[in-house]
Amino acid sequence: KQEVTQIPAALSVPEGENLVLNCSFTDSAIYNLQWFRQDPGKGLTSLLLIQSSQREQTSGRLNASLDKSSGRSTLYIAASQPGDSATYLCAVRLSNRGSTLGRLYFGRGTQLTVWP
Amino acid sequence: ETGVTQSPTHLIKTRGQQVTLRCSSQSGHNTVSWYQQALGQGPQFIFQYYREEENGRGNFPPRFSGLQFPNYSSELNVNALELDDSALYLCASSLLGHSSGNTIYFGEGSWLTVV
Repeated sequence: KQEVTQIPAALSVPEGENLVLNCSFTDSAIYNLQWFRQDPGKGLTSLLLIQSSQREQTSGRLNASLDKSSGRSTLYIAASQPGDSATYLCAVRLSNRGSTLGRLYFGRGTQLTVWP
Repeated sequence: ETGVTQSPTHLIKTRGQQVTLRCSSQSGHNTVSWYQQALGQGPQFIFQYYREEENGRGNFPPRFSGLQFPNYSSELNVNALELDDSALYLCASSLLGHSSGNTIYFGEGSWLTVV
């Protein structure tokens, strides 16, 4: 069974800091890994998707890396802003195993607060 | 804007009742999944429908059931509601089987409160 862990559970930083959010997973046979953002009471917004063959993906101030062999991913947020305040969720999809293709295994998320 | 819409956004039900939640997927997506997210937790996979058939299920009892329709809409039905069913229910759609369709798109969710 795939277990996904995110550290830290919560993070509070002043505006402008560079941040690293961590995600680890137990089964390295993944198809891809996806980072999501969730605002309070809202649905999930996809931020970055990394295929199992890739090492990193970048979008604006966000950079996600993947080390499949060690079962780890990091989300790097540069020059954080108050608008970045949200919960960040990491999710992995296992390699094609028939009926479970498409199923995501989520961590509990990191709740980020960026204060002015 | 993910192109995935859910209804209703909020509802309150009494223990023992039945509820139907609805989702309209992105046009052309052949797969819809439903997730349950309790407060402070990550989403948990309920089941997945691929081309109108259930082809994957998480650790949820049979009173959780679903349907996927040809017009890209789907339903999640929960019978005999329990207090622990109170959660945010998320619908997700994707285009599986295509190299360009790996991203999974989520709707805004339906908040269910069981009293």
